[in-house]
Amino acid sequence: QKEVEQDPGPLSVPEGAIVSLNCTYSNSAFQYFMWYRQYSRKGPELLMYTYSSGNKEDGRFTAQVDKSSKYISLFIRDSQPSDSATYLCAMKAAGNKLTFGGGTRVLVKP
Amino acid sequence: GAVVSQHPSWVICKSGTSVKIECRSLDFQATTMFWYRQFPKKSLMLMATSNEGSKATYEQGVEKDKFLINHASLTLSTLTVTSAHPEDSSFYICSGIGDSQLTNQPQHFGDGTRLSIL
Repeated sequence: QKEVEQDPGPLSVPEGAIVSLNCTYSNSAFQYFMWYRQYSRKGPELLMYTYSSGNKEDGRFTAQVDKSSKYISLFIRDSQPSDSATYLCAMKAAGNKLTFGGGTRVLVKP
Repeated sequence: GAVVSQHPSWVICKSGTSVKIECRSLDFQATTMFWYRQFPKKSLMLMATSNEGSKATYEQGVEKDKFLINHASLTLSTLTVTSAHPEDSSFYICSGIGDSQLTNQPQHFGDGTRLSIL
């Protein structure tokens, strides 16, 4: 079993819809949680960074962390075609080494 | 802020040659840099962690003599793929963090280097 599980998709939604992404993890030592967006042949871009259970909002993005269930989510409101990308969840324990999910490919259709 | 620049973005070379990839932190001092490899439609695989002024720590299964990492300054780390072969063709990505003593630092990534060995 992988430490971090993420549905590979693709997840296809119409423009304007809410995109819902999630990851589950097994290592209870993970304390810091990140969501990255990666366009094709580009490096990952940090979208959200959280370290406590609950919600964090930034513009159209909302990140949720539920440490008791070992489950994190990312919601994208009012999705745009430019949001089409692969979304990677990542997490780490006390050190600096990241553990990534496999990524979910998202397609937002105009 | 927190911009990481990676160069070159794409390189094609013949089998047997060595290729150097540069990773620079432009607006922060990266005490720690990471090198990843990514295969098509796969997630990032950590190859090694480098701290400025010290030897890199390689992940299990990564050949340190094949993938030479130098982190001579707080803004520059290099990865040299020595005697490259077609199986080394991949997408290589670096990332950096500022003060590595602070465990809540997120990693900031470069745009990657697409390496094609003929």
